Amino acid sequence: GQQVMQIPQYQHVQEGEDFTTYCNSSTTLSNIQWYKQRPGGHPVFLIQLVKSGEVKKQKRLTFQFGEAKKNSSLHITATQTTDVGTYFCAAANSGNTPLVFGKGTRLSVIA
Amino acid sequence: DAGITQSPRYKITETGRQVTLMCHQTWSHSYMFWYRQDLGHGLRLIYYSAAADITDKGEVPDGYVVSRSKTENFPLTLESATRSQTSVYFCASTGQTGEGYTFGSGTRLTVV
Repeated sequence: GQQVMQIPQYQHVQEGEDFTTYCNSSTTLSNIQWYKQRPGGHPVFLIQLVKSGEVKKQKRLTFQFGEAKKNSSLHITATQTTDVGTYFCAAANSGNTPLVFGKGTRLSVIA
Repeated sequence: DAGITQSPRYKITETGRQVTLMCHQTWSHSYMFWYRQDLGHGLRLIYYSAAADITDKGEVPDGYVVSRSKTENFPLTLESATRSQTSVYFCASTGQTGEGYTFGSGTRLTVV
C-alpha cells in the first residue's frame, strides 16, 4: 500500500532560524496534503498540492511538490514559537482511497 | 472546528470491556474516518466510510467495529478492549476525496 516517508522525525531550531521537512514516496502521487498538529491538539489541514513542480506559499510557509510527484517539502522561514507542533504530509493511492499519513516531523522552537 | 465533535474526550476502561467512541459531524460530509495516533506510528487508519451504510477497513481494523446508519454519525466500538488499544483516537471527515480532512478534537482512551 501507499507509504510516505517523512524526515526528519524531530527538529529543534532557534527562533528565527528556518525549518524544512521532507516527504518522499516510492510511487507517483496524485496529490499531497500537509497538516499541522499543535501539542495536545488535533491535525489541521494546511494545504493540498496537485500539480507537478507546484509551489504554494502561506505567509512564512512554502510548500513544494516535486517534478516527478514523488516528493514534497514544507519550508518555514524565520520560525516563531507559534510554529511549534508536528507537521504531517499525507497522500492517497488514488482519488477514492483514504489518506495515508507520514509519521510527522516534530518541530521545537527555542526562544 | 465545531462541525465535528468527538465524545468522550477522555475515557478509562478495563481490559475486556466494550467501549464506544462517538463522532458526529454537521456538514453532511460523505466521507468519515477513524485514525489512531500512537508515538512512533503517526496516524493509522482504522476504518472509513464513503457514505451511510458503506464502511471499509483501514490499516489496523482488528478489534474494532464501526457502523454508519446516518451520514452524520460514525461510532467506533472496541468490542473487548485490550491494553494495546490505549491510544488517541481521531475522527475526521471530508466532503470529497482529494479535499482536506477536518479532524475532531480526539478521544484519549486508556485501557487498564
